[in-house]
Amino acid sequence: KAGVTQTPRYLIKTRGQQVTLSCSPISGHRSVSWYQQTPGQGLQFLFEYFSETQRNKGNFPGRFSGRQFSNSRSEMNVSTLELGDSALYLCASSLKVQGMETQYFGPGTRLLVL
Amino acid sequence: AQKVTQAQTEISVVEKEDVTLDCVYETRDTTYYLFWYKQPPSGELVFLIRRNSFDEQNEISGRYSWNFQKSTSSFNFTITASQVVDSAVYFCALSEAVSGYSTLTFGKGTMLLVSP
Repeated sequence: KAGVTQTPRYLIKTRGQQVTLSCSPISGHRSVSWYQQTPGQGLQFLFEYFSETQRNKGNFPGRFSGRQFSNSRSEMNVSTLELGDSALYLCASSLKVQGMETQYFGPGTRLLVL
Repeated sequence: AQKVTQAQTEISVVEKEDVTLDCVYETRDTTYYLFWYKQPPSGELVFLIRRNSFDEQNEISGRYSWNFQKSTSSFNFTITASQVVDSAVYFCALSEAVSGYSTLTFGKGTMLLVSP
């Protein structure tokens, strides 16, 4: 079974621009979560989507948004990029029918904001 | 609020040595899960183990073993006879029932360097 895939793998943007990152979950998985990883703050939860609905959101500004499509694929968008948005963005998927399900991560998208 | 502490920022060992990575967590929830993930230089987080709060049995998987102690809120990870391929950053994480298990709270990670 193919793992979680993320595109693009690397991205360079300039301040003020916006960016869209894509995540395709493991086949059959319905929950997709996004995390930001930076050297200073470590791994931080951004949001989780299940059945096209955002179920949980971390403590990030409104510039960070996401959505999930009917095939469970997800995108996250960051508008008005700031230098501090440079990070590794990781997507994770899980079955999440009920209760606890292990989250499996993709390879991430490395975003550099200049 | 939930919190995961990995006090060891970096550990260096020589191949074949045993090494233990420490993890201490804080939660007010009575039902929660603990995890360990491995992050090699490629960046992908690789799932290693999941433990729920009601299961304090230690687990062994090959050279890996985990010691979960609720009394000390710890979930430590031991690698026996370490190998160069074990070099990576290891993260301990917590997921609570109160959040519907939607989120993982990670520690800062421990970088393990295994030299030949």
